[in-house]
Amino acid sequence: DAMVIQNPRYQVTQFGKPVTLSCSQTLNHNVMYWYQQKSSQAPKLLFHYYDKDFNNEADTPDNFQSRRPNTSFCFLDIRSPGLGDAAMYLCATSRDRLSLDYGYTFGSGTRLTVV
Amino acid sequence: AQKVTQAQTEISVVEKEDVTLDCVYETRDTTYYLFWYKQPPSGELVFLIRRNSFDEQNEISGRYSWNFQKSTSSFNFTITASQVVDSAVYFCALSGKGAQKLVFGQGTRLTINP
Repeated sequence: DAMVIQNPRYQVTQFGKPVTLSCSQTLNHNVMYWYQQKSSQAPKLLFHYYDKDFNNEADTPDNFQSRRPNTSFCFLDIRSPGLGDAAMYLCATSRDRLSLDYGYTFGSGTRLTVV
Repeated sequence: AQKVTQAQTEISVVEKEDVTLDCVYETRDTTYYLFWYKQPPSGELVFLIRRNSFDEQNEISGRYSWNFQKSTSSFNFTITASQVVDSAVYFCALSGKGAQKLVFGQGTRLTINP
């Protein structure tokens, strides 16, 4: 089945140690998003790629970076994780932001713990 | 700016009761999309429904129904004959045409007690 896959499901990292979260999709969607969801809060968009075009949200900390080497894969890099970065990270895709009727497909998320 | 308000932080009902989750939105876009997602304890976001701003027809899917009223900027979600498996956090979300992101409400934690 076509889907959005996030690896790993759970990630534990040390304070200040760089960590990379992975997202892959078999939907051939043009747009890929990364959302951060802290405990008991709503998901918040960090950035998205439209094809190779990177779009950062204004309030996303510089500590967060992203790479999209091809259509199928997108990575979230946290350069120096702090305790406040512990959260669920959700990857999502959509076919085309300009389409009149489109939907989002979410992955199962990666729950990041910082120790 | 776009905004979604889910005023009910937590709701607790007994199984088989009907329950309505409220969602009020703000947007200046004439074309927009509204969504409901379910998030069980495992954390994934489960898509329930998408509605575009030109379609005000109410929708029913099994025990779930949605009431969209542009006049009051509301998109409410009703679960009929609730079950324990319905326990989750439910998010209402909004996206504008051509926009790149979903704006989520704060979510409503629904607990169905046996």
